[in-house]
Amino acid sequence: GAVVSQHPSWVICKSGTSVKIECRSLDFQATTMFWYRQFPKQSLMLMATSNEGSKATYEQGVEKDKFLINHASLTLSTLTVTSAHPEDSSFYICSARVGNVGGGGSTSPLHFGNGTRLTVT
Amino acid sequence: DAKTTQPTSMDCAEGRAANLPCNHSTISGNEYVYWYRQIHSQGPQYIIHGLKNNETNEMASLIITEDRKSSTLILPHATLRDTAVYYCIVRVGAGNKLTFGTGTQLKVEL
Repeated sequence: GAVVSQHPSWVICKSGTSVKIECRSLDFQATTMFWYRQFPKQSLMLMATSNEGSKATYEQGVEKDKFLINHASLTLSTLTVTSAHPEDSSFYICSARVGNVGGGGSTSPLHFGNGTRLTVT
Repeated sequence: DAKTTQPTSMDCAEGRAANLPCNHSTISGNEYVYWYRQIHSQGPQYIIHGLKNNETNEMASLIITEDRKSSTLILPHATLRDTAVYYCIVRVGAGNKLTFGTGTQLKVEL
C-alpha cells in the first residue's frame, strides 16, 4: 500500500533555532502534499498545501514566513519551522494522495505519515 | 464541506462489533464519506470510504443510509489495538485537503 514517511519522528530544539521536517512518498508520486499540526487533546488542523514546483498555499492564520514549505520533487516535501518558540511545540503530520500526478479530482484517499513530535525548549 | 457529527466517545468489548455512527445531514450528492482513525501519537490511518453503496474491506464495513444523511463504520470483531480516535469526514474527493472534526474516541476493553 501507499506509504508516506516522515523524518525525524521526534526532535527537540532550542528556542530561536530552525527545524526541518521531511515528508516522502515512498512508492508513489504526489504533486500535492498537506501539512497538519496537532496540539495535545485536539484534532488535526491543516496548516498548508504543498505543491510541487510552486508556492505552498497556507491556511488562514498560518505564518508563511515562519513555516517554510518546499516541494522540490514529486516525492519530497519539507516543512521548516523557523525561529522556533515553545508555542510551536506540537505534532506535525504530512499527507499525500496516490494518483495525484496530473492533478484533477480523485476519490482515492490521503495517506498520512507517522508524524513528527517537535519540542522547543 | 458537509459538517459531520460524531459521539465524543464509545466503549466496546473486545471481540464484539464496534458500530461508530456519523451524521452528515447536509451532505451533497457528489460528496464521499471517508473514515480515518488515529492511534495515540501516530498519523491518521485510512480505513474506508464510500459514496452511497455500502462498502467492505479487510478492516471494516461502511453502511450509508439511503438518504445519505448518516453512516456507520463497523469493526466486526474489535480488538484492543482498535482503540483510537475515529474520524468521519465528508468531502468531494479526498485528493484535496481533509478537514478533521473532533472524532469519536473508541475504547476497546477486555
